Amino acid sequence: SQQGEEDPQALSIQEGENATMNCSYKTSINNLQWYRQNSGRGLVHLILIRSNEREKHSGRLRVTLDTSKKSSSLLITASRAADTASYFCATPHSGGYQKVTFGTGTKLQVIP
Amino acid sequence: NAGVTQTPKFQVLKTGQSMTLQCAQDMNHNSMYWYRQDPGMGLRLIYYSASEGTTDKGEVPNGYNVSRLNKREFSLRLESAAPSQTSVYFCASSGRRLLQETPRQWEQFFGPGTRLTVL
Repeated sequence: SQQGEEDPQALSIQEGENATMNCSYKTSINNLQWYRQNSGRGLVHLILIRSNEREKHSGRLRVTLDTSKKSSSLLITASRAADTASYFCATPHSGGYQKVTFGTGTKLQVIP
Repeated sequence: NAGVTQTPKFQVLKTGQSMTLQCAQDMNHNSMYWYRQDPGMGLRLIYYSASEGTTDKGEVPNGYNVSRLNKREFSLRLESAAPSQTSVYFCASSGRRLLQETPRQWEQFFGPGTRLTVL
């Protein structure tokens, strides 16, 4: 079963706007990762946030983690057409320390 | 460095045929994974290998077998393909970059995927 669930499933915005996508998970975690997948390609790691961190930045990406609500958000500021992709959160698998479970993803379309 | 490579990129099989998907990584990672991705389902783990010589089942292992040939290579075999195995298959690897990292913090590096159709 999926540990992480992204919301919304799909998002369409104009270039220059900000995009926010959310991830909710079920069990306690010690870190959460976000990945991007361009159409027809493999996933690429974007950022990892640890359970003792509330916010983390990487370029135009801002990730927050609220362990009390079991949720995380990914904000992409000043979006570009090249940000068009699917975004997945990933949490450690409850059954094994080296595995992660991916959510179902948010499909982002940035319109030029 | 090529990262994670997968072959073939595309494959069409008839029901009952067998095939092996190949994966190799050149990052000296201990852990390797096979996922399948279906529309609306995200990625689901088929099998993984925590280190050379070990393999373990993931979420959807039925109908598949794997071999961790050496540290670099991890293959996925479909013995008797079924239409339900039509999917995009991804191989990934992960490994410790920093001494203080625990395995749960390792990022995964993905191959480009194999698009498999079973008729």
